[in-house]
Amino acid sequence: GESVGLHLPTLSVQEGDNSIINCAYSNSASDYFIWYKQESGKGPQFIIDIRSNMDKRQGQRVTVLLNKTVKHLSLQIAATQPGDSAVYFCAENRDTGRRALTFGSGTRLQVQP
Amino acid sequence: GAGVSQSPSNKVTEKGKDVELRCDPISGHTALYWYRQSLGQGLEFLIYFQGNSAPDKSGLPSDRFSAERTGGSVSTLTIQRTQQEDSAVYLCASSPSAQRAGELFFGEGSRLTVL
Repeated sequence: GESVGLHLPTLSVQEGDNSIINCAYSNSASDYFIWYKQESGKGPQFIIDIRSNMDKRQGQRVTVLLNKTVKHLSLQIAATQPGDSAVYFCAENRDTGRRALTFGSGTRLQVQP
Repeated sequence: GAGVSQSPSNKVTEKGKDVELRCDPISGHTALYWYRQSLGQGLEFLIYFQGNSAPDKSGLPSDRFSAERTGGSVSTLTIQRTQQEDSAVYLCASSPSAQRAGELFFGEGSRLTVL
């Protein structure tokens, strides 16, 4: 069925290293993808988005890559910091007239000092 | 404040009771969403309001759940005859417009515990 999912439930990295969080989607009709960060006890926070007509988009210390051939999305965080520790969700929005995001189950990023 | 405000932050209730959860979106945001997040899980869509259009209720899990949005601003999510499986964090989010549907601004949620 249609789904947005993640490869790794927990990712542990050393401070200063780069982090890569992966996400797979199964609906080829998906045309818009978003990454959210959720810190403990808080609501998710928008990080970066990408449309299906793009392969790569960069923000501040973050890069999102989209591979439509294998329906794969990734979030790269450069020089990971302790403040990056959180759960990261990918989400998709299909332009079917319903503007509700479908979220994946999340990956927990743990940054070791 | 400037963000999405939800109340109560925590609610403990007995099975069978009704509960109301409130959301104050960011001023000027036309879109409002309710999601549910069970422990360690992703976000489950419940309902979506956009301006004066009919709400998208396709995510409501049963007829015990309902929501309204008055005056295009404040929204209330009502759960009638609560069950233990309703225990979760209920998150409200608003968005500036339908055209920016991916950029949701979330509140901190209302944690509901049904005993």
